[in-house]
Amino acid sequence: QVQLVQSGAEVKKPGASVKVSCKASGYTFTAYYIHWVRQAPGQGLEWMGWINPNSGGANYAQTFEGRVTMTRDTSISTAYIELSSLRSGDTAVYYCARGMGMLAESFDYWGQGSLVTVSS
Amino acid sequence: QSALTQPASVSGSPGQSITISCTGTSSDVGDYNYVSWYQQHPGKAPKLMIYEVTNRPSGVSNRFSGSKSGNTASLTISGLQAEDEAHYYCSSYTSSSTLVVLFGGGTKLTVL
Repeated sequence: QVQLVQSGAEVKKPGASVKVSCKASGYTFTAYYIHWVRQAPGQGLEWMGWINPNSGGANYAQTFEGRVTMTRDTSISTAYIELSSLRSGDTAVYYCARGMGMLAESFDYWGQGSLVTVSS
Repeated sequence: QSALTQPASVSGSPGQSITISCTGTSSDVGDYNYVSWYQQHPGKAPKLMIYEVTNRPSGVSNRFSGSKSGNTASLTISGLQAEDEAHYYCSSYTSSSTLVVLFGGGTKLTVL
């Protein structure tokens, strides 16, 4: 069965960086894009970007350009998101999700989420 | 870029039908048949309910259906059940240079 398992919760200070992992299983990792979506406490969903695990190419929402890096390690079927220069507004649950559909624009499987708390 | 517009809340009684709207622009909902709907229960990850406007993933009840007219997409839930109470989010592919996927602000469905 398809599973996306994410790394655990993190607490970071403002200005620091955080790296969250997303380990895929149950399907061919390189065949589907991985998207990252975040959700601040009590708020809606915000799309951050995607990575093509096959090529390593990535596309980021402009809101995060310059602060976000998405990478992958195909040998262990794991995708990563790193967010730098953290501020309190980055406190959120970060989800990875598998892209499907004609443009990989729908997300059929989601990780369990990783809570990132930014606090001094 | 602004989020897609959804009503903050809707409600209905068990057995009834409700519809949640999702309004975008000609750069997203109006120009592409790539609208999805997600259900999210408290503390859980979202679940895909509808993709490409009208398609249901395997395992999703046929009580859930999607449609689109112009710049507005809709999710209809028929035969409301208590377990349908959740937040619902729409999303759309967008041709905006700043984004690829745009989400709606979410709608809280209350089953009375």
